[in-house]
Amino acid sequence: GAGVSQSPRYKVAKRGQDVALRCDPISGHVSLFWYQQALGQGPEFLTYFQNEAQLDKSGLPSDRFFAERPEGSVSTLKIQRTQQEDSAVYLCASSLGGSGRDDEQFFGPGTRLTVL
Amino acid sequence: AQSVTQLGSHVSVSEGALVLLRCNYSSSVPPYLFWYVQYPNQGLQLLLKYTTGATLVKGINGFEAEFKKSETSFHLTKPSAHMSDAAEYFCAVSVNTDKLIFGTGTRLQVFP
Repeated sequence: GAGVSQSPRYKVAKRGQDVALRCDPISGHVSLFWYQQALGQGPEFLTYFQNEAQLDKSGLPSDRFFAERPEGSVSTLKIQRTQQEDSAVYLCASSLGGSGRDDEQFFGPGTRLTVL
Repeated sequence: AQSVTQLGSHVSVSEGALVLLRCNYSSSVPPYLFWYVQYPNQGLQLLLKYTTGATLVKGINGFEAEFKKSETSFHLTKPSAHMSDAAEYFCAVSVNTDKLIFGTGTRLQVFP
């Protein structure tokens, strides 16, 4: 595709509900990242995939957060039993991968999650 | 631990004036440094990056930044602001992994 796409763009959930956020990376990109951006803050790293392997999940705030990329392309970030502090914009980024930490990450528009 | 500090959450300039957005980093190893711009309802877009070599790097839309190791800084500048530069700007560092550590951002307003 032309860029990284995310769906839905906006999600409102009642506290305690489960949500699933989808990321479609740029075709052929090996690396995929999830970030959380709270209001007025910079993005914070959540997790990182290389193909289907989840190589780093150190940023996931609790065991209610789960991410997967089963076929090495589309990724889903799932949040169970949502709480008000989960309200944020969730950003997905992808990169070609393979050349290390100077790979450019291309960001999607984000999913704005509001938990009531 | 690595961190990024952006001084000034809001910066206002007149059209045609110099833009200076400040970024300081903390890292125990040579960092890779990035500036991203975020327009409303859009994803982050890379403006420029420093990896190794020349410390003055030029990016898109007339922006440039200079890596100063002695000052642990990577300030973003543009000689003449344009109305279309109004956006939020994020400085980020990548140390030993691919993940980026971002600052809290600076919102740039440009007045006519």
